[in-house]
Amino acid sequence: AQTVTQSQPEMSVQEAETVTLSCTYDTSESDYYLFWYKQPPSRQMILVIRQEAYKQQNATENRFSVNFQKAAKSFSLKISDSQLGDAAMYFCAYRTPGNQFYFGTGTSLTVIP
Amino acid sequence: DTEVTQTPKHLVMGMTNKKSLKCEQHMGHRAMYWYKQKAKKPPELMFVYSYEKLSINESVPSRFSPECPNSSLLNLHLHALQPEDSALYLCASGPTSLANYGYTFGSGTRLTVV
Repeated sequence: AQTVTQSQPEMSVQEAETVTLSCTYDTSESDYYLFWYKQPPSRQMILVIRQEAYKQQNATENRFSVNFQKAAKSFSLKISDSQLGDAAMYFCAYRTPGNQFYFGTGTSLTVIP
Repeated sequence: DTEVTQTPKHLVMGMTNKKSLKCEQHMGHRAMYWYKQKAKKPPELMFVYSYEKLSINESVPSRFSPECPNSSLLNLHLHALQPEDSALYLCASGPTSLANYGYTFGSGTRLTVV
């Protein structure tokens, strides 16, 4: 079975600073996909960034980037120039080619003005 | 249309009531999902529909009954629920063929069982 672990239940960052959220996963698959989702108080789960396991290049979406270490099964999210609107629960997720999603336990991010 | 719409947004029901949650998408996605989410916890998969057929049931109690009448609609029928079933119920959809495509989630139905 696949498991996804987020070891930081809560994190905080000063506005305009950089923060990194950690995620590790366990799998015996060689082909899979990784995602970070954001869930603000409005409850909507919003896709932040995605990474294909077969790609060595780390994904980047504007202020969001990942550090994907396949051998270490690590997939961290870096948020640069943090904004107040970045405050939310962040979930790391793993998707198999067979279409099943597994979510990590979540990290609650607070942005301090 | 790039949205998943869930209704109602809030629902309060008694333990003897029968109610339904509705989810609709018009993105042409052929996989649809029901998730249950408790406060401060990750979403837990309940059901997966692929091409309108139930493909995964994560051992969900029979008081939850899913239905997929067509490729755009997904319902969750509720009957004889317990207070511990109070949670946020999220619907999601996605294409079946693109595994690098994340789900699109609805904003959920906040269910309270009294």
